[in-house]
Amino acid sequence: KQEVTQIPAALSVPEGENLVLNCSFTDSAIYNLQWFRQDPGKGLTSLLLIQSSQREQTSGRLNASLDKSSGRSTLYIAASQPGDSATYLCAVSNDYKLSFGAGTTVTVRA
Amino acid sequence: DAGVIQSPRHEVTEMGQEVTLRCKPISGHNSLFWYRQTMMRGLELLIYFNNNVPIDDSGMPEDRFSAKMPNASFSTLKIQPSEPRDSAVYFCASSLNSGNIQYFGAGTRLSVL
Repeated sequence: KQEVTQIPAALSVPEGENLVLNCSFTDSAIYNLQWFRQDPGKGLTSLLLIQSSQREQTSGRLNASLDKSSGRSTLYIAASQPGDSATYLCAVSNDYKLSFGAGTTVTVRA
Repeated sequence: DAGVIQSPRHEVTEMGQEVTLRCKPISGHNSLFWYRQTMMRGLELLIYFNNNVPIDDSGMPEDRFSAKMPNASFSTLKIQPSEPRDSAVYFCASSLNSGNIQYFGAGTRLSVL
């Protein structure tokens, strides 16, 4: 059974600092990996999807890397802003089934 | 597109009552998913439909839970009878083919008293 772990569980940084969020998974036979953002009381918003054949994916201030062999992914958010405060979830896919981590709750202090 | 639409947003009911959650996926998407989110267990896949057909219902907790997708634009998740331990946020998501980005609805927060 795929186990997905996200460390740390919570993170608080001053505005402008770069964020580094970690995700690890136990089974490297994945189809893709997705990073989601969840705001309180809201649904999940997909941020980035990395196919298993890719090493990284970028969108604006966000960059996600994938190392399948070691079972790790990292989400970098450059120059954090208060609006980046949310819970970030990592999910690995075996085609249709997403296995989620518990998330990292980020607070960016103004 | 309006995205994935779920109703109701909040549901409060008493133990033993029937609860029906509704979902309208994004038009053109052929894959639909129901998830449950709790503090203890996080996000769990309950059931996956492809082209309106249930493909994987292994996450449905017990016979009290049932899901249907009568057409490409509508799905329901029913709990009968409901129990306090069913209290959670239930999400519906859809995607264009499995393995692609899943788009989530805003969720239904269910409280069973």
